[in-house]
Amino acid sequence: AQTVTQSQPEMSVQEAETVTLSCTYDTSESDYYLFWYKQPPSRQMILVIRQEAYKQQNATENRFSVNFQKAAKSFSLKISDSQLGDAAMYFCAYLPFSQGGKLIFGQGTELSVKP
Amino acid sequence: SAVISQKPSRDICQRGTSLTIQCQVDSQVTMMFWYRQQPGQSLTLIATANQGSEATYESGFVIDKFPISRPNLTFSTLTVSNMSPEDSSIYLCSVGGLGGREINEQFFGPGTRLTVL
Repeated sequence: AQTVTQSQPEMSVQEAETVTLSCTYDTSESDYYLFWYKQPPSRQMILVIRQEAYKQQNATENRFSVNFQKAAKSFSLKISDSQLGDAAMYFCAYLPFSQGGKLIFGQGTELSVKP
Repeated sequence: SAVISQKPSRDICQRGTSLTIQCQVDSQVTMMFWYRQQPGQSLTLIATANQGSEATYESGFVIDKFPISRPNLTFSTLTVSNMSPEDSSIYLCSVGGLGGREINEQFFGPGTRLTVL
């Protein structure tokens, strides 16, 4: 079965510090995408970053970067220089090429940012 | 950037009734999807809305309960039929292929918060 696991239900970070959110996934597929989505209290799902499994280089988007370890099936998100606006629920999601668009989500990590 | 809107943003309904949720995109998209997010839970795909044909449903979801329409490349509806309190959730549409981006990169609407009494 294809599953996504986020082992940290809650995380906390001090403003301006760095935090890493963990995600592991289980699959037998070789071609897939991985995503991190952010859901603030407004409940809007916002795409943060995307990684293609065939790319060895880790994706970065401004203060957000990932550590993609394909062999270990690990996909962590690092947020640098954390800001108050980063406080939200973060979902890791997996999309195999074979599934025609079906995103499989982890259970989420609630991130709080302390001023 | 393109806008994805949903109507209504929230509703409170009586059990046994039905509610139709609309998803509108201000530009043509290749793929449209409907997800459910139960309270305190993650998102689960209900179905893929296919333009001009029947939707493709995931295991555990059936057309009689969640009929879906997609008459064109910018609009879709999801109906939650014969509602029960267990249907209380946030329902989100997502789109792929927005603004020429890859179809596998999905962007979400703001969601519809449904409460069934």
